[in-house]
Amino acid sequence: GESVGLHLPTLSVQEGDNSIINCAYSNSASDYFIWYKQESGKGPQFIIDIRSNMDKRQGQRVTVLLNKTVKHLSLQIAATQPGDSAVYFCAENSGGSNYKLTFGKGTLLTVNP
Amino acid sequence: NAGVTQTPKFQVLKTGQSMTLQCAQDMNHEYMSWYRQDPGMGLRLIHYSVGAGITDQGEVPNGYNVSRSTTEDFPLRLLSAAPSQTSVYFCASSLDFGLSSSYEQYFGPGTRLTVT
Repeated sequence: GESVGLHLPTLSVQEGDNSIINCAYSNSASDYFIWYKQESGKGPQFIIDIRSNMDKRQGQRVTVLLNKTVKHLSLQIAATQPGDSAVYFCAENSGGSNYKLTFGKGTLLTVNP
Repeated sequence: NAGVTQTPKFQVLKTGQSMTLQCAQDMNHEYMSWYRQDPGMGLRLIHYSVGAGITDQGEVPNGYNVSRSTTEDFPLRLLSAAPSQTSVYFCASSLDFGLSSSYEQYFGPGTRLTVT
């Protein structure tokens, strides 16, 4: 079946380094993608989203890249801080009358001081 | 705004018991949803609602019921609890799930449920 998955379940970086979290999706009909951050014991928080008519979108210290050719999504975090330590999820939606977000399994990012 | 609130934060049930997880939002959002999160897995959609009086099934609806009598509230009912329903449950809401271009959902803090 269609699914959203992650290449790396864990990522450990040094404070100040840039982080890249990857996500593969298999539904070629997906036209909307979103990244969430989940800190321990809390609900997920929106980070950034992107539509399929774009290949890059930037936010504050974060950039999402979309490669529709290989069905790959990435989240780049610049100058990673200890507060960025969390689980990061990608999710996708195929639009139209589909009112569902399909989530990936998540990547645990650990930032070492 | 309080955002999305969930009660209780923790609950222990015995197999066969029933209970209702409460969810409320004060943002006048049309779309509300329930997810469960199990270790090593992403969030899986249980049920969702696109407005008062309208509900639909998600990916894993069996064993759960929902209703949406008001815009603000979206309770999740466990009919006869089973150990397989041990999980963390999240309620989320969205303005209109994509109609205004954003699918961003606001999540509550979660309810940790253990069924023994």
